[in-house]
Amino acid sequence: NAGVMQNPRHLVRRRGQEARLRCSPMKGHSHVYWYRQLPEEGLKFMVYLQKENIIDESGMPKERFSAEFPKEGPSILRIQQVVRGDSAAYFCASSKGVSRVGAYEQYFGPGTRLTVT
Amino acid sequence: AQKVTQAQTEISVVEKEDVTLDCVYETRDTTYYLFWYKQPPSGELVFLIRRNSFDEQNEISGRYSWNFQKSTSSFNFTITASQVVDSAVYFCALSSTGFQKLVFGTGTRLLVSP
Repeated sequence: NAGVMQNPRHLVRRRGQEARLRCSPMKGHSHVYWYRQLPEEGLKFMVYLQKENIIDESGMPKERFSAEFPKEGPSILRIQQVVRGDSAAYFCASSKGVSRVGAYEQYFGPGTRLTVT
Repeated sequence: AQKVTQAQTEISVVEKEDVTLDCVYETRDTTYYLFWYKQPPSGELVFLIRRNSFDEQNEISGRYSWNFQKSTSSFNFTITASQVVDSAVYFCALSSTGFQKLVFGTGTRLLVSP
């Protein structure tokens, strides 16, 4: 069984360019989450999506960042006009969602390391 | 507000020593979930365990064991007879029912030397 897939694994962008990060959830998972890990820090939640819906975007910066999870295809995290402070590892996770007894565990992809020069 | 504290930034041990990683959490919710993840040097995040707030039984999986104590809001992780391959950053995380996002601690870097 394929796990959560993310591409690219490494991405270099110059200041002002756009970055597009892709995430394909595990088979059978319809819930996707994006987290950001700044150097030497823990992971911070950004956004939670189900197919065609954003459920919780409380951790997303108000400007330049957007996310989508279309009916077909991977989830996309898009960062416009990148700045040096956007350099980080971006992790995608997927889960089955919520059962009657609570949340299923989230399985993480290998991450995309974004470097802004 | 939810918060996870991992006070130990880095721990160094010699192979075969036992080591305990501390995790203290804060939440006002009565139903919540606690998790541990491992991040080896390669960078991926590996799920280790999920525990819900109604289940305070300790759990053992091979050399790994977890001690959940609601009275002290702690969910500590012990590795018995550590090995070099255990070297990694370990994260404790919390989520509440109805809120899917995980709140992570800052992680504990474990270095196991031969």
